[in-house]
Amino acid sequence: DAKTTQPTSMDCAEGRAANLPCNHSTISGNEYVYWYRQIHSQGPQYIIHGLKNNETNEMASLIITEDRKSSTLILPHATLRDTAVYYCIVRVVVAAGNKLTFGGGTRVLVKP
Amino acid sequence: NAGVTQTPKFRILKIGQSMTLQCTQDMNHNYMYWYRQDPGMGLKLIYYSVGAGITDKGEVPNGYNVSRSTTEDFPLRLELAAPSQTSVYFCASSYTTGGSYEQYFGPGTRLTVT
Repeated sequence: DAKTTQPTSMDCAEGRAANLPCNHSTISGNEYVYWYRQIHSQGPQYIIHGLKNNETNEMASLIITEDRKSSTLILPHATLRDTAVYYCIVRVVVAAGNKLTFGGGTRVLVKP
Repeated sequence: NAGVTQTPKFRILKIGQSMTLQCTQDMNHNYMYWYRQDPGMGLKLIYYSVGAGITDKGEVPNGYNVSRSTTEDFPLRLELAAPSQTSVYFCASSYTTGGSYEQYFGPGTRLTVT
């Protein structure tokens, strides 16, 4: 699976959009970009995933660059409950075991 | 659906003791996983299973054993507990066909070995 690089931490204001970057310059053509988050002391939670096209769901939007070497997770209106560690993971879907490899993630603090 | 449940929530072991961490899922997922998370770090895969009767090692399997006799249950066994196994343990499960292949995580078991 391709390695990802994320900022260690970032702050954002409540009610504003939070833009979380992720670099994955060695991504392969059959690898997807997944985002999970982990709120303090809880198990990780799936947010969104994509291959080439931008994706949106009720939680967030995922913007993937045309060359697929980087992506941005957007939380459109951050709330205090979005304070968490966000993990960007790149992997081949339907690979043996469907495994995830977690890096250090980005620690996001949403401030009032 | 209860999702993925884990017991116990907390446990303190003495060095050399053994214990089994329980994990059950009610979503009929074929794939199940065990991760550990040390303080301030990301999760590391210990073992995983692609179906009943089939298990395989992950990144950090030493000191652990697993079994998968049913689709629902995936217990993790610690033999001869060591302080290095102090961690939070998460169990997860996922679909194998269609959908997003997302993994669903349990609430975790916080283990201290002293």
